[in-house]
Amino acid sequence: NAGVTQTPKFRVLKTGQSMTLLCAQDMNHEYMYWYRQDPGMGLRLIHYSVGEGTTAKGEVPDGYNVSRLKKQNFLLGLESAAPSQTSVYFCASSYPAGGNEQFFGPGTRLTVL
Amino acid sequence: KQEVTQIPAALSVPEGENLVLNCSFTDSAIYNLQWFRQDPGKGLTSLLLIQSSQREQTSGRLNASLDKSSGRSTLYIAASQPGDSATYLCAVMPGSGGGADGLTFGKGTHLIIQP
Repeated sequence: NAGVTQTPKFRVLKTGQSMTLLCAQDMNHEYMYWYRQDPGMGLRLIHYSVGEGTTAKGEVPDGYNVSRLKKQNFLLGLESAAPSQTSVYFCASSYPAGGNEQFFGPGTRLTVL
Repeated sequence: KQEVTQIPAALSVPEGENLVLNCSFTDSAIYNLQWFRQDPGKGLTSLLLIQSSQREQTSGRLNASLDKSSGRSTLYIAASQPGDSATYLCAVMPGSGGGADGLTFGKGTHLIIQP
């Protein structure tokens, strides 16, 4: 099993550009999450999904959109990137029978100029 | 709003010592608590998960305890090794969402084990 994978690993954007981050998991997990990690702020929840076709807002959802069209994939979109969105983005997944232990991907480092 | 605090922010000890990392949280109504390890430039590796009904969990040289009523958890590392050097993160899941909600993280303890 590959676990949780994230694409791309690195990306540089200019202000106003758009992009989509892809998270994929092969563990048949129900729940998926997007977090961002910033120096001095720790990890914060952006959006999450409790199943295919569902999404919900986390602590810092503004400027982001998400979609979960397939159970194994969770997409994070930035429609008009801003320098404040420069961060490391982590995806995670979990399942109820496993006590909802969350497993994380390797991260995407995004820089917005 | 749940807040998670980890003390100390940084710790440097000689190899072989036993050590304790502390985590406190303000709202005791949690679903579970998870300890992670993060190496520089890498993702998070789950170390231990403690359900709200449990008092402790053990994995190898690691032991995590949970005192939900006082809002505290500790991670005990026995016989530390240079390979244990990393940032250790504590995170709690709120009890209201049935286990589906996201985690609230502390800012971590940066641990250095001196050879």
